[in-house]
Amino acid sequence: EAGVVQSPRYKIIEKKQPVAFWCNPISGHNTLYWYLQNLGQGPELLIRYENEEAVDDSQLPKDRFSAERLKGVDSTLKIQPAELGDSAVYLCASRQGDNEQFFGPGTRLTVL
Amino acid sequence: AQSVTQLGSHVSVSEGALVLLRCNYSSSVPPYLFWYVQYPNQGLQLLLKYTTGATLVKGINGFEAEFKKSETSFHLTKPSAHMSDAAEYFCAVSDLGNQFYFGTGTSLTVIP
Repeated sequence: EAGVVQSPRYKIIEKKQPVAFWCNPISGHNTLYWYLQNLGQGPELLIRYENEEAVDDSQLPKDRFSAERLKGVDSTLKIQPAELGDSAVYLCASRQGDNEQFFGPGTRLTVL
Repeated sequence: AQSVTQLGSHVSVSEGALVLLRCNYSSSVPPYLFWYVQYPNQGLQLLLKYTTGATLVKGINGFEAEFKKSETSFHLTKPSAHMSDAAEYFCAVSDLGNQFYFGTGTSLTVIP
């Protein structure tokens, strides 16, 4: 069974440019999470989806960040415009029921 | 609210020695507790979890952890460290499995 797929794995952009990350969760997993992981830190939740509904986006900086999961399967996280402080790893995870989360390999963003 | 404290951001042990990584949590509800391992440039992988029942839980790669409610702790141990155990370890707490809160991580170095 394929795991959580994320692309791209690495992205380098200049500040003020837009960027988008894509996540395909494990088949059948209703819950999808986007996390931000800064260097030397644990993951911090950005947004959680239950199917296509964003049930927790309280930590998402809505002035520049947006996310969607239109058909309740794969999801896109966008930053526009990117700032230097957005350099980090963006992790996607999925989950089914009360089971544990499964994480993708992450997208490492570098903003110059 | 839930939170996690991992004591010691860096731990070094000799190969074959006991591994002890400390985790204390706070939770307003009976917690679900997790330990994840992260290798460089990879996502997080579940080592073990506690939800209910037996307080001593065994995970993959010879790791185990004990839930001690009186001490609000969930320390991770392994009797004999192997070189392949060198990685970043994250403790996480969940409120009945929906929202996950991660510690800041402990980097384990294994000295040959």
